[in-house]
This record gives sequence, structure tokens and C-alpha cells, in this order.
Amino acid sequence: DADVTQTPRNRITKTGKRIMLECSQTKGHDRMYWYRQDPGLGLRLIYYSFDVKDINKGEISDGYSVSRQAQAKFSLSLESAIPNQTALYFCATSDFWNTEAFFGQGTRLTVV
Amino acid sequence: AQSVTQLGSHVSVSEGALVLLRCNYSSSVPPYLFWYVQYPNQGLQLLLKYTTGATLVKGINGFEAEFKKSETSFHLTKPSAHMSDAAEYFCAVSESSNDYKLSFGAGTTVTVRA
Repeated sequence: DADVTQTPRNRITKTGKRIMLECSQTKGHDRMYWYRQDPGLGLRLIYYSFDVKDINKGEISDGYSVSRQAQAKFSLSLESAIPNQTALYFCATSDFWNTEAFFGQGTRLTVV
Repeated sequence: AQSVTQLGSHVSVSEGALVLLRCNYSSSVPPYLFWYVQYPNQGLQLLLKYTTGATLVKGINGFEAEFKKSETSFHLTKPSAHMSDAAEYFCAVSESSNDYKLSFGAGTTVTVRA
């Protein structure tokens, strides 16, 4: 089983719909991150969380919200999806000692 | 503020030839620098990182990178390309030693010719 699991792997949704992307990890890490990847732009940080009670905005948080349900679970929501939120979304985790960040396999979201 | 520039969105090399991927960064504090590789339909995998100490960093799969503060660069090299090196490569920078709030470059896609 993967250390960082994202569900769904692919999703097509309509403009205006609410959608949730889920991330769970078995690494036991306290720190979790959501990134968005767009062609030619690399990855950009949306939100991050250092523990269950800690949520922080990243570079591009507008239009997104997150929930840290447990140490192992970090969900990203699009309250009202729009086409320019079409992208590849990655969840990542790291531990306090920051030896390495582990990325999930990504969720490809298409908003039509 | 921090930012990363990767020169060249696509690089094509012959099998056995040198792979050189360029990365320049800007950072207001001493940076922590990373190279990641992404294979098709997969997540990112860490190739190597520079935090402190030796400026020549060796990573997995025969890759290495050198931190040059005076040039604000962290170029990635591999002496001899293999077909399995075909992937997208990302340079990233963090200004903190305590987390992975990374700023990424736009990425460089490497193709390897037989």
C-alpha cells in the first residue's frame, strides 16, 4: 500500500459543484500539504497543516478550503468549482525532522 | 520571498550523454534546495537535497547537484543518461529548515534518444 493515498485519482466535475479531494497517510507524519500542479507553472502550495489544530494558507488558497480530520487525514475542498481549477493536485507529508517529504500519486481534476 | 527558475522546459539527450538541468533561485535567507523527479502518472520523488555543509550533493540514480551561492544556482547533472531517466524534473527551494513549504520551478521534461 502507498504511504500517501489520494482519492479519487481522477475526477470530472461541473462548474459550481462542491468537490472534496481526500488524502490519507500511513507515515505517522504530523505535517501535511496540498499542492496544485499546472503545466508550465510547476507546483504551488495551496494549504498546509503542521498538526490537527493547525491550518495555514499557502500561495494560492483562494477558492479552496481544507480540513484536518485526524493526524493521518487532510482533505481539500472546492466549494464551487470553476474551470481554472482544472489541475493535478498533490498531497504531501513530512515529519518534524524534515528528512524528506512524501508525495501522493495525485488527483487529476477536470472542471467542465 | 523565494522563487525558482528552471532554464529550458524541454531537454533532449542521447543515451550515454551528459544530462544537465539548470536551476537558479532567489531567496532572502540561506536556502534549502531540492530536486524532484516525476515519472508519468506518478507523484514526485526526491532525487537529492542541499541543506547545509558540502555543496556538492549526490542523490539517487547517479544524479548530483552543486550549490553555488555566488551564482544562486543548483544545477543537476548526470554523467551518462539512461532511457529510464526520461521524466519531468523539478527544482524547489524552501527558506525554512522546519517544513516543506516549497516553491517549485516550472519543470524540465527530459527525453532520452536511443
